[in-house]
Formats: sequence, C-alpha cells, structure tokens
Amino acid sequence: KNEVEQSPQNLTAQEGEFITINCSYSVGISALHWLQQHPGGGIVSLFMLSSGKKKHGRLIATINIQEKHSSLHITASHPRDSAVYICAVTGNQFYFGTGTSLTVIP
Amino acid sequence: GAGVSQSPSNKVTEKGKDVELRCDPISGHTALYWYRQSLGQGLEFLIYFQGNSAPDKSGLPSDRFSAERTGGSVSTLTIQRTQQEDSAVYLCASSRDKNYGYTFGSGTRLTVV
Repeated sequence: KNEVEQSPQNLTAQEGEFITINCSYSVGISALHWLQQHPGGGIVSLFMLSSGKKKHGRLIATINIQEKHSSLHITASHPRDSAVYICAVTGNQFYFGTGTSLTVIP
Repeated sequence: GAGVSQSPSNKVTEKGKDVELRCDPISGHTALYWYRQSLGQGLEFLIYFQGNSAPDKSGLPSDRFSAERTGGSVSTLTIQRTQQEDSAVYLCASSRDKNYGYTFGSGTRLTVV
C-alpha cells in the first residue's frame, strides 16, 4: 500500500469546469505539498500546507489533518492547467503520490 | 542565484562510468533534496540534507549512489559504475527549512548507454 494515494489518476475536463484532485495519506506528516509538472517541463511547487486552506489565483488547496486528506481545486479550468499534479508529504520521510494527469480541453 | 541551479542539464555516459551531478540551491536555503524521475514514473526521493548533514539517506537505491554537501550550499550526487537503469531526470530542490515550500531546479537528464 502506498503511503500517499491520489485520485483520480487521470482526469479530462472541459475548459471552465471546476476540478478537484484528492490526496489521502497514511503517515504522520509535518507538511503536505502540491506540485505541478507540465509535459516535458520542470516541477513547480504550488502549495505547502500544514493546516487549513491556501489560495493562489484559481488554485485552492485544503487539508484535513484529522482525516489525513487534502484536496487541490482548480476553478474555471483552462487548457494551460493541463499537467500532472503530485501530492507529496514530509514527515520522518518523504512520500509522493503517483500523480494525477489533468487534461483540460478547450 | 535566484533559483536552484543544476548542472549539467544533460549528461550521456557509458555504462560503467562514474558521473557527478551538481546542485546549487537558493542562497540561505538550509534544506536540500535530491529526487529522480525515471521515464513515465513518479518522483522518487533519494536523499535529504539539512545543512551539511544528511539525516535521511533512505532513498538512495544502492551503494553506487552517494551525495555530499559542503558549506551548507552546493551538493553533488555521485553515481559510480552507472547502469542503464540509472537513466532518469535527477532533480534537486531546496527550501529554507524542511517545513517550508520547495523550489525545484530544472533537473539533469542522465542517459546511460
């Protein structure tokens, strides 16, 4: 069993749709990270969370420590949001989810 | 510098040769991480430095892999006697501290032929 589980693995959405990507983890953590990787591109750190909610533009990340769950939301999705989104947790060790591949169709 | 710098950006090496990959973190960032991403695979954690010490080496795949960091700044990842399965993009990231957000470098694409 992976310490970090993401769902869905693949997601296709129409431009403008509201998107949610989920991340559940089974280990104790000090922080949770959401990362973005565009096809052929580098990895960008979107958020680091230890509690509550953060918002950057159209991106919102939430975390529920008690439930060991985080969500990444994208409002008014756009084709340029097409990327792989990776959930990672840091605690005693570092664990990564396998990523969610998002395709936003115009 | 303004970002995390990795060199070389691309490296092609013959099987059995040793390679050194370099990471120059953001100035003042005490935490430094090495990861790798094999083709079509997810991110794999390799090693974490806090200052010059490596409290977590659990991700190094074999004793052919080693890493060091001197002066709390530049880090080198060394792979001895490279094998074809070592081919991957090796990524470095740094942060002010383990509990702060990461900044990633653009990676070194290693191809072992």
